[in-house]
Amino acid sequence: GAGVSQSPRYKVAKRGQDVALRCDPISGHVSLFWYQQALGQGPEFLTYFQNEAQLDKSGLPSDRFFAERPEGSVSTLKIQRTQQEDSAVYLCASSRNNYGYTFGSGTRLTVV
Amino acid sequence: QQQVKQSPQSLIVQKGGISIINCAYENTAFDYFPWYQQFPGKGPALLIAIRPDVSEKKEGRFTISFNKSAKQFSLHIMDSQPGDSATYFCAASFRSGSEKLVFGKGTKLTVNP
Repeated sequence: GAGVSQSPRYKVAKRGQDVALRCDPISGHVSLFWYQQALGQGPEFLTYFQNEAQLDKSGLPSDRFFAERPEGSVSTLKIQRTQQEDSAVYLCASSRNNYGYTFGSGTRLTVV
Repeated sequence: QQQVKQSPQSLIVQKGGISIINCAYENTAFDYFPWYQQFPGKGPALLIAIRPDVSEKKEGRFTISFNKSAKQFSLHIMDSQPGDSATYFCAASFRSGSEKLVFGKGTKLTVNP
């Protein structure tokens, strides 16, 4: 596709509910990243894939967060037992190595 | 530990003026310094980037100045326009565009007509 596509654009979850956020990267982009952006803050790194391999998950805040990219294209970020502090915009980005990132518009998650 | 410090937090400039946003970093292993522009409801978009082997890079009205010894870099927007009103983030990474980015906290720029 022409850009990085994320769905849903908005998600409201009740505390304790599990959520799944989807990212469709630009076709042919090897690298895929997830970032979390709290209101009024800069994006913070969560995890990084190169093809289907998760090379860095050092930014995942707890074991309730899980990401996968089983076929090296579409990725899903799953958050189990959501809590209020998980409320944020979750951004996905992809890159063709050494050519810089392209970000999607994000999924705004609100936990109530 | 905040590895990239950005200032000011907000900036108001008149149309036609120069907008200047500053960043300082701590880790000397960083070797790629991009600036991103973000409009409300959108993801950040790459504006311009620099590597530490050059002191300045210019693309249109946007210029990055880089001071390796001071571990500082800045974004200059010449002839600022109301359409430039957005939040700007500086960032740093260890490899050009293919490693995780460390972002500053952002500067909200307002350009008055």
